[in-house]
Amino acid sequence: DAGITQSPRHKVTETGTPVTLRCHQTENHRYMYWYRQDPGHGLRLIHYSYGVKDTDKGEVSDGYSVSRSKTEDFLLTLESATSSQTSVYFCAISATPGLAGATLQETQYFGPGTRLLVL
Amino acid sequence: AQSVTQLDSHVSVSEGTPVLLRCNYSSSYSPSLFWYVQHPNKGLQLLLKYTSAATLVKGINGFEAEFKKSETSFHLTKPSAHMSDAAEYFCVVSDQGTPLVFGKGTRLSVIA
Repeated sequence: DAGITQSPRHKVTETGTPVTLRCHQTENHRYMYWYRQDPGHGLRLIHYSYGVKDTDKGEVSDGYSVSRSKTEDFLLTLESATSSQTSVYFCAISATPGLAGATLQETQYFGPGTRLLVL
Repeated sequence: AQSVTQLDSHVSVSEGTPVLLRCNYSSSYSPSLFWYVQHPNKGLQLLLKYTSAATLVKGINGFEAEFKKSETSFHLTKPSAHMSDAAEYFCVVSDQGTPLVFGKGTRLSVIA
């Protein structure tokens, strides 16, 4: 298994509170991603990072922000959680470790997921 | 922009019979195509990947997929289903320089 961990694995929070999810990798991979998975929608990309302090928006980025201050950590923040953000969140990393030529088409490896319930 | 359509949301087969999960894609350039599997309450695992080297791609656990450019298809097959194959399967496409786009998934049930 790729060295990817997510924390917390489960979280229950209330509407309007801030929430931060953490993704940690031990593989020195350049690209990291955050997805959400909802029934009938597959996985949808929230944000991704192509290096320290380098991030870009995905398909469903509204209401989410990210930060990457170290190669190994990628944080996803819900500034003010809403019930529509109840979901399972997956972090992923690309397969090519730290090469300048790595592309978005590289194979991605996924973390175990975080179940978030916003009441 | 690329897109992917998984033609069946649910497929049910008997153990020992063939599996066919259908996927059509839309891509502007030369795509990379993937199949991932997700077992209940687990993360996603790569089954196989197409990157223009060979049109028939062999993956793990006896699965394979054939890239057909003329039909814009990348169907996943397995000759004989096993109970442990019951899971959700995702077809994924990526054009050069763009993030992966996932299909909505096909749930495979295997009946004893």
